Amino acid sequence: QVQLVESGGGVVQPGKSLKLSCAASGLTLRTFPVHWVRQAPGKGLEWVAAISPDGTDATYAAPVRGRFTISRDIRRNTMFLQLSSLRVEDSALYYCAREGGTLTFTKRLDYWGQGALVTVS
Amino acid sequence: DIQLAQSPSFLSASLGDRVSISCRASEDIDTYLTWFLKKPGKVPQLLLYAASTLENGVPARFSGSGSGTEFTLTITNLQPEDFGTYYCQHLKSYPPSFGQGTELEVK
Repeated sequence: QVQLVESGGGVVQPGKSLKLSCAASGLTLRTFPVHWVRQAPGKGLEWVAAISPDGTDATYAAPVRGRFTISRDIRRNTMFLQLSSLRVEDSALYYCAREGGTLTFTKRLDYWGQGALVTVS
Repeated sequence: DIQLAQSPSFLSASLGDRVSISCRASEDIDTYLTWFLKKPGKVPQLLLYAASTLENGVPARFSGSGSGTEFTLTITNLQPEDFGTYYCQHLKSYPPSFGQGTELEVK
């Protein structure tokens, strides 16, 4: 059974940092790209970042570029999102999600964690 | 960056109705389009990928069409569990953005 479990959320002051974790079971993170998506209160889904299967390539949305860093620990089958220089507008529920699809045109975010709540206040 | 625009933003419908939601891309994305249903307090549920392929376990009353820049999600015979907010997302390139969402409400 595939499971993604986020942790590390909490309340933090503006300008501070927080590190989110996404622990995977039932799948190997180094096999697929993994994404972070967030949803602020009352807002829509917003893509945040992604890391390539081999971990060498990370891409970020413009609002977080230079402040957030995505990484992973292969031995622990866990992905991380380091949130730095946090702003009030970064307050959101952060989801990690696996990008599945064996063929290029079948790419999709098919497995999601339950989310980690980050409140910047 | 590729932008996705959904319409309408809000939709009111009754049980048993047929509804359609549009998603327009700012440039050609082939069929790299997925659809999600998001309910409050729940994880986004993948409905369709590759524009028209139903995810495992999703009822056949959901269907998708389109390619290039114009896409449509159609739901027939609306059921109580279908109400919530629908999002399209492209995976053609980075950033893989989402549409702004379409809230489907019970009339």
